[in-house]
Amino acid sequence: GIQVEQSPPDLILQEGANSTLRCNFSDSVNNLQWFHQNPWGQLINLFYIPSGTKQNGRLSATTVATERYSLLYISSSQTTDSGVYFCAAKSNFGNEKLTFGTGTRLTIIP
Amino acid sequence: DSGVTQTPKHLITATGQRVTLRCSPRSGDLSVYWYQQSLDQGLQFLIQYYNGEERAKGNILERFSAQQFPDLHSELNLSSLELGDSALYFCASSGGQGFAYNSPLHFGNGTRLTVT
Repeated sequence: GIQVEQSPPDLILQEGANSTLRCNFSDSVNNLQWFHQNPWGQLINLFYIPSGTKQNGRLSATTVATERYSLLYISSSQTTDSGVYFCAAKSNFGNEKLTFGTGTRLTIIP
Repeated sequence: DSGVTQTPKHLITATGQRVTLRCSPRSGDLSVYWYQQSLDQGLQFLIQYYNGEERAKGNILERFSAQQFPDLHSELNLSSLELGDSALYFCASSGGQGFAYNSPLHFGNGTRLTVT
């Protein structure tokens, strides 16, 4: 099945800094999503982005499907951005599941 | 608020017991998915239902079963519980038949199961 790898595994930043999280996937995809899991365990849907670029406030994401990677950008970080960011992807082929990466743990320090 | 409702939020039970987790999908969504998140295994897909029928199966143990009812809510039954079943169980829903096809998944807030 599809492999989804995220980097870096951990990121510690000062409030106000910008960050880039990366997601590599091993197959062509027709579904790719970014999620934020907050400290209370809730999984928040950030972007549905199998290709192209989207922006939502301080967050934006770009997926380059032909090169099999996606990037999540967070600008002007706030402490509420802390948590784990997951990328999840589904291969174009077969009836495969939405596979999650192992996540990037982001800690924003005041 | 994703629109997906899971109950209960927390569940504490003993080994050997049986529990039922409930999920109501977003209005209009026909597909329901169950995922398990444990510390050592990450987010693992368990099973998917579409309009009452099982559509895809993942790493779901034989002690676990699920169903989707005519009103589209779903239940995940966990029996003969073991300590290792302690985890966060998520339900998600989408409008499409399968995992993809232009149909993102929306997750509920999860049920935290603790087996003692």
